[in-house]
Amino acid sequence: QVQLQESGPGLVKPSETLSLTCTVSGDSVTSDSYYWSWIRQPPGKGLEWLGYVFQIRSTNYNPSLKGRVSISIDTSKNQFSLNLRSVTAADTAVYYCAREAEWRLLGAFYFDSWSQGTLVTVSS
Amino acid sequence: DIKMTQSPSSLSASVGDRVTITCRASQTINSYLNWYQQKPGKAPKLLIYAASSLQSGVPSRFSGSGSGTDFTLTISSLQPEDFATYYCQQSYSTKTFGQGTKLEIK
Repeated sequence: QVQLQESGPGLVKPSETLSLTCTVSGDSVTSDSYYWSWIRQPPGKGLEWLGYVFQIRSTNYNPSLKGRVSISIDTSKNQFSLNLRSVTAADTAVYYCAREAEWRLLGAFYFDSWSQGTLVTVSS
Repeated sequence: DIKMTQSPSSLSASVGDRVTITCRASQTINSYLNWYQQKPGKAPKLLIYAASSLQSGVPSRFSGSGSGTDFTLTISSLQPEDFATYYCQQSYSTKTFGQGTKLEIK
């Protein structure tokens, strides 16, 4: 059974870079069956997909983040990481890493496994 | 972006009730619609994918239907553990979620 656990600082200063890492156990981040995503949820609000990485080099990001986001894989540690640049208070949220599966018969994608989430606060 | 609108935003119901939550997409998304359940302080949990497919391990009282722009999540007989917030999510294009429906005990 796959498990995902995020790690990283809980407090980031405005204009700096938010960096989080997700450690995956029970599956490989180089699998050709799954996409590895980051999703966030501001306190008391809804969910926002940030982007994914697939098989090391393929990435796709939410255009709303205007080029501030990057996601990468570390195969030696079976981890994937999020970097979000030039943060503001609006980036304060619970950040989740998640595994995205595809039902290839239909081309349907869905998030089937999630981490517990970590609160990152942007404040000076 | 495709906007997902859920109704109602909140709902009060009793154990044993049949409950329906709707989700409407701002444009057609075929059947690329998923439903999640989230309890306070926890990560969302996948219930239904591709509009009507029940995720493994999810009780059969949960069901989904719809295609195109209009979708529903139905809980046939509410159990105490079902009181939570429910989100729909489309995977037709840049993934977006509905604003959530909070299901509370009456």
